[in-house]
Amino acid sequence: DGGITQSPKYLFRKEGQNVTLSCEQNLNHDAMYWYRQDPGQGLRLIYYSQIVNDFQKGDIAEGYSVSREKKESFPLTVTSAQKNPTAFYLCASSMGPPGDGDPISYNEQFFGPGTRLTVL
Amino acid sequence: GEDVEQSLFLSVREGDSSVINCTYTDSSSTYLYWYKQEPGAGLQLLTYIFSNMDMKQDQRLTVLLNKKDKHLSLRIADTQTGDSAIYFCAEYLILTGGGNKLTFGTGTQLKVEL
Repeated sequence: DGGITQSPKYLFRKEGQNVTLSCEQNLNHDAMYWYRQDPGQGLRLIYYSQIVNDFQKGDIAEGYSVSREKKESFPLTVTSAQKNPTAFYLCASSMGPPGDGDPISYNEQFFGPGTRLTVL
Repeated sequence: GEDVEQSLFLSVREGDSSVINCTYTDSSSTYLYWYKQEPGAGLQLLTYIFSNMDMKQDQRLTVLLNKKDKHLSLRIADTQTGDSAIYFCAEYLILTGGGNKLTFGTGTQLKVEL
């Protein structure tokens, strides 16, 4: 089955520790994204990557870091500098920037099941 | 600006129609999406509409777009208990540095009562 996996589903960490959230996709998508979801605030973009070995900051990148060494993987590290790390984290992927084909196919973002991070 | 706003809660009876509203501020959006999120899960694309359209119908779903007022709505006909979820509208934006992103609304929690 093709899709996006995130692990673990629930993660607990002590304050001051860095933690890395996994995101893997086997859809052969070029673009990958990390969002943070808080109650009543919708989804906010943390980082995105349009292609391997390249990534850009989103709206709330402070306290987070990413890498994109492989097309199928886009791990997110929540560092101790992130002041309010407790949240639900969602990873997504899309085929990539619009090409000559159907723009919906290129831009539709497919989401993983999410990881709920709780910092104690 | 890129604010996308929705009301937080909506409660309807099973069999009634649900209407979920969304307002956005960026007039350069080329298309807008509706996503559904069931409890503890990721988001699932429900439908989308191009910005040059006024309406799109897809089985029980009707999307209306008023571009002048920057208002988007999702109507669910014959709402069922399985429709209980959080619904997000999102606008597609081209980024100045290349690439694209979706700006999501705050989400509307739909509760369907028997």
